[in-house]
Amino acid sequence: SQQGEEDPQALSIQEGENATMNCSYKTSINNLQWYRQNSGRGLVHLILIRSNEREKHSGRLRVTLDTSKKSSSLLITASRAADTASYFCATETESGGYQKVTFGTGTKLQVIP
Amino acid sequence: GAGVSQTPSNKVTEKGKYVELRCDPISGHTALYWYRQSLGQGPEFLIYFQGTGAADDSGLPNDRFFAVRPEGSVSTLKIQRTERGDSAVYLCASSPRGGGAGTEAFFGQGTRLTVV
Repeated sequence: SQQGEEDPQALSIQEGENATMNCSYKTSINNLQWYRQNSGRGLVHLILIRSNEREKHSGRLRVTLDTSKKSSSLLITASRAADTASYFCATETESGGYQKVTFGTGTKLQVIP
Repeated sequence: GAGVSQTPSNKVTEKGKYVELRCDPISGHTALYWYRQSLGQGPEFLIYFQGTGAADDSGLPNDRFFAVRPEGSVSTLKIQRTERGDSAVYLCASSPRGGGAGTEAFFGQGTRLTVV
């Protein structure tokens, strides 16, 4: 089962523009992470935001978290063609004494040069 | 090795056959996860190991699926009597510890399984 749902499912923008992806989830979480995936293979961890944080930055990435609305957003500023990939949010929830990580459905981003 | 290694990278098998997929985690990582990803979907949790034991196998779809990690390092995902619906990319990830909030998981490149 998938905890998170990303919106939009697909996004196409011009190089230099900003890209915003949203993630909504269903249950209370401890943390939320964003991952990137190229060509349907391995995922790469981008950024983690804890449940008591509201905003976090890393380079051109900005993540927000609203636990009252059970939603998060990932903003990529000044996008580049190399940012073309699928982006997934992953929620961490307490499960039997460990942190279970559950992925959303993903947003497919295309950055046009 | 430097990262999580999965072998084979591609596997084509006939319906009804048995397959084994291997995952070599990053050395020293105690937590290991298996996920399955179908085309256009996010990774779907299958099983989680902490050391040698399966701490959570609630994601295994049925009893045809089984995974082991006998020495707390390499893990093997085993699928019996494969069906066409098993076709997917199987992803393995490891992390330094499973408990404790906010541990980044490192993913392998996956094994693409095709059942014909």
